[in-house]
Amino acid sequence: DVKVTQSSRYLVKRTGEKVFLECVQDMDHENMFWYRQDPGLGLRLIYFSYDVKMKEKGDIPEGYSVSREKKERFSLILESASTNQTSMYLCASIATGSTQVTNSPLHFGNGTRLTVT
Amino acid sequence: GEDVEQSLFLSVREGDSSVINCTYTDSSSTYLYWYKQEPGAGLQLLTYIFSNMDMKQDQRLTVLLNKKDKHLSLRIADTQTGDSAIYFCAESSGSNDYKLSFGAGTTVTVRA
Repeated sequence: DVKVTQSSRYLVKRTGEKVFLECVQDMDHENMFWYRQDPGLGLRLIYFSYDVKMKEKGDIPEGYSVSREKKERFSLILESASTNQTSMYLCASIATGSTQVTNSPLHFGNGTRLTVT
Repeated sequence: GEDVEQSLFLSVREGDSSVINCTYTDSSSTYLYWYKQEPGAGLQLLTYIFSNMDMKQDQRLTVLLNKKDKHLSLRIADTQTGDSAIYFCAESSGSNDYKLSFGAGTTVTVRA
């Protein structure tokens, strides 16, 4: 079974801190994604990566950056956390060549709930 | 991203049918999906429909697609307490099958 692991379930940080959210997948997937989930807004794509050291902006990249130094790990970085970045963050991965309709759809981690005070 | 809209809440009695509706805007979407999120968990693919289909049935789940109106619905027959969750409608971007646009999610509450 594919496992997408987000290192922290809950995180509380102060405004202005640099924050790292880590995500690791164990199935050699090329593509990895960071979404944030907010009530009434659903999931919005922040960044995605289709290969090591490759990244592309999603719909809401402002205030975030990412790092993909190894295939299995995709990090989301908040350079200077702000209260409007309080949210649930979801990481996901999928192998190139898969489609959503095979039994290898987008696999999600359980999320990191970040609170910025 | 593309706009995907769905109602935010649905309350249904146990044993009744639930119908969750969704509208989308990207006419080039190849597939449309329903994901389920249980409390404290990530999202799991529930079912999907190919854009050239009108209907798909999978056990208690029926997906209806009206491509002309860009309307998608998910019907859950004989709704159970375990069906209480948030349900997300999603479409794939026309240029990238891996990049999904999600609706806001419909919170389904099943009452006894």
